[in-house]
Amino acid sequence: NAGVTQTPKFQVLKTGQSMTLQCAQDMNHEYMSWYRQDPGMGLRLIHYSVGAGITDQGEVPNGYNVSRSTTEDFPLRLLSAAPSQTSVYFCASSYRDPQSSGNTIYFGEGSWLTVV
Amino acid sequence: KNQVEQSPQSLIILEGKNCTLQCNYTVSPFSNLRWYKQDTGRGPVSLTIMTFSENTKSNGRYTATLDADTKQSSLHITASQLSDSASYICVVTARGDYKLSFGAGTTVTVRA
Repeated sequence: NAGVTQTPKFQVLKTGQSMTLQCAQDMNHEYMSWYRQDPGMGLRLIHYSVGAGITDQGEVPNGYNVSRSTTEDFPLRLLSAAPSQTSVYFCASSYRDPQSSGNTIYFGEGSWLTVV
Repeated sequence: KNQVEQSPQSLIILEGKNCTLQCNYTVSPFSNLRWYKQDTGRGPVSLTIMTFSENTKSNGRYTATLDADTKQSSLHITASQLSDSASYICVVTARGDYKLSFGAGTTVTVRA
């Protein structure tokens, strides 16, 4: 049981380049989400999905796209990287939505992205 | 706007001592509150989850309390160990909302 797997761990991009952060979970979780973590701030929600084929925007969606073609995978795409997107990105998953208290939310190990 | 404020921002304690971290929130209507531990360079790991009706929840040497009336929670670490050095994050969910509201975290450093 690998849990939530994120790749790559580290990436350096040039301004204007595009890339995809991969996220996969093997726990058959319906709910998946992407967050960014910046110094001195709490994690902020970028996009989330409540099941295959269903996605929605979070707090800071601009500059990012997602898709959910399978239950297992939830990739995050940076369309045209900007220095403001330099951050640590975390993918999370849970069996049910966060309102369900008997429901642990699992996080990946993070992806460190630097845009120069 | 739903907000979660944590204090102190950081603290240093000696190994074996106890400490208490605070979390105040304005999230409404309240659904649940979670505490996470995040080691440097790692993802957050769940410690406790509490609902409106629960005022205490323990996980080993970690004890979380919740006062839903005053919208305050605390995380108490007993007999701290070097491995407790980490950031502790308070996370609150509103009823009817898929989104989590995160505090900025308290960085705990345990020294020998």
